[in-house]
Amino acid sequence: DVKVTQSSRYLVKRTGEKVFLECVQDMDHENMFWYRQDPGLGLRLIYFSYDVKMKEKGDIPEGYSVSREKKERFSLILESASTNQTSMYLCASSFLRGRRTEAFFGQGTRLTVV
Amino acid sequence: AQKITQTQPGMFVQEKEAVTLDCTYDTSDPSYGLFWYKQPSSGEMIFLIYQGSYDQQNATEGRYSLNFQKARKSANLVISASQLGDSAMYFCAMREGRVNNFNKFYFGSGTKLNVKP
Repeated sequence: DVKVTQSSRYLVKRTGEKVFLECVQDMDHENMFWYRQDPGLGLRLIYFSYDVKMKEKGDIPEGYSVSREKKERFSLILESASTNQTSMYLCASSFLRGRRTEAFFGQGTRLTVV
Repeated sequence: AQKITQTQPGMFVQEKEAVTLDCTYDTSDPSYGLFWYKQPSSGEMIFLIYQGSYDQQNATEGRYSLNFQKARKSANLVISASQLGDSAMYFCAMREGRVNNFNKFYFGSGTKLNVKP
């Protein structure tokens, strides 16, 4: 079974802190994604990566950066956390499988910025 | 413009009845894929069903079927014989373009389904 693991289920951080959210997948997937999930807005793509050291901005990259130094690990960085970044963060990975590709998700990290 | 629209924030269904969750999508690319995911209260996203834009038949997976109406750009999820364990948030998603390494997934705002005993 594909396993996508996020390092924390719950995090509480202070405004202005630098925050790292870690995600690891164990199936050698090429693509990895970071989404944030907010009520009424669904999942919005922050960043995605299609290879080591390669990244592309999603729909809401402001206030975030990412790092992918190894294929299995994709980190989301909040350079200076703010209260409006309080949210559920979901990491996903995907790979090409025939004519279809699907996203596999981690369990989510609920971040609260106080 | 929204790529995926789910117009039902919440729905109720009686146990053992069928329910349809609506999803419309927006793309000009002839090649795309449509997905439904289930998110229980525990938070994990569970893949349910997939429909490719060139698939001639509607996808089915057990009690889940996808009512794909290409001309209307709709991909509604039908759950037959609802069970209490079906109570969850449901997301419709789209992969736009041909399958390749650069595919992104767009998600709707979700529908919260409550199954009543």
